Amino acid sequence: SQQGEEDPQALSIQEGENATMNCSYKTSINNLQWYRQNSGRGLVHLILIRSNEREKHSGRLRVTLDTSKKSSSLLITASRAADTASYFCATVQNNAGNMLTFGGGTRLMVKP
Amino acid sequence: DAMVIQNPRYQVTQFGKPVTLSCSQTLNHNVMYWYQQKSSQAPKLLFHYYDKDFNNEADTPDNFQSRRPNTSFCFLDIRSPGLGDAAMYLCATSRRRGDEQYFGPGTRLTVT
Repeated sequence: SQQGEEDPQALSIQEGENATMNCSYKTSINNLQWYRQNSGRGLVHLILIRSNEREKHSGRLRVTLDTSKKSSSLLITASRAADTASYFCATVQNNAGNMLTFGGGTRLMVKP
Repeated sequence: DAMVIQNPRYQVTQFGKPVTLSCSQTLNHNVMYWYQQKSSQAPKLLFHYYDKDFNNEADTPDNFQSRRPNTSFCFLDIRSPGLGDAAMYLCATSRRRGDEQYFGPGTRLTVT
């Protein structure tokens, strides 16, 4: 079953704008990960945030985690056309053998 | 460069004709995973190996089998492909369960 739900399902912005994607989950987690997938390709790991962390940065990416609300957000600042992709959150649950469970993904389109 | 390689990138098979997809890794990771991803959906875990220990997901059909003859290679065998098995098949690796995963480019399977 799907642990994470992502919002929005699709997002279209202009180059230079910021993009925010949200992920909610249902059960307690060890960590939460964000991945990017370009069309027809494999997934690329972006950031892993542990349950005892609240925020992590990597370049133009900022991830927050609120375990009390069981939610996370991915912010991409100063977006570029090359950021066009699907973005998935995935959780590692405490009681699921440490397997990743993916959310449905957000399809981001950045218009030049 | 260390990586996860999948061959072939595109595979066409006939209904009911067995097919094998292959994955190799140069990362020397302990864990190898196979995911099925259908259009606009999240990846769905089929099974994984921790070293030689095979772990099947409860809802993976018996039609899907896997082999891991050594650390570097893992194979996905579909014994009698049906039209519903047409999908992208993704191989991934990680050092330990719950760590970030490294994905191959995927094999797109078409069943005619």
